[in-house]
Amino acid sequence: NAGVTQTPKFRILKIGQSMTLQCTQDMNHNYMYWYRQDPGMGLKLIYYSVGAGITDKGEVPNGYNVSRSTTEDFPLRLELAAPSQTSVYFCASSSGRSYNEQFFGPGTRLTVL
Amino acid sequence: AQKVTQAQTEISVVEKEDVTLDCVYETRDTTYYLFWYKQPPSGELVFLIRRNSFDEQNEISGRYSWNFQKSTSSFNFTITASQVVDSAVYFCALSEAVGAGGTSYGKLTFGQGTILTVHP
Repeated sequence: NAGVTQTPKFRILKIGQSMTLQCTQDMNHNYMYWYRQDPGMGLKLIYYSVGAGITDKGEVPNGYNVSRSTTEDFPLRLELAAPSQTSVYFCASSSGRSYNEQFFGPGTRLTVL
Repeated sequence: AQKVTQAQTEISVVEKEDVTLDCVYETRDTTYYLFWYKQPPSGELVFLIRRNSFDEQNEISGRYSWNFQKSTSSFNFTITASQVVDSAVYFCALSEAVGAGGTSYGKLTFGQGTILTVHP
């Protein structure tokens, strides 16, 4: 199993550009999450999904959109990039069991200039 | 609302010293889970331990040990005989239990992290 994979690993965007961060998991997990990690800070939840077709906002959803058309994929869309979105983005998945251990991807480092 | 506080922003020790990383949490739930993650310089998040709110037994795994005290809402992490390879950012995190009529869906609330530097 590859676990949770994310692409790209690094990206530089100009202000106003759009992009999609890809996340795929091969563990047949129902729950998936997107977090962002700003420098010197802990991770904050952007969006999450509890199954295909079901998504909801986390703590910091502004400026992002998500979709979940399959169990495996949970892409994160930035429509109009802003410098405040410079961060490291982590995708995670879990089985949804009560203890809900989350498995994290390697992260995508995004810089908006 | 849930909250996790790691008051120590940075800790610097010399190899072979013992070091304790503090974690204090707030939650209204009676069932919840606590986690520690390690983030080495390479950037990935490495799962270290999970604890549920009903199990206050301390746990030891090699040089690592965890002290969970519900009375003080703390879940501290101790590294014994630290090594240079222990240098990393360590995160404490809290999750409400999935299911049982709740709507948390296992979302994690992270502390700000503690940067541990172990010098040779």
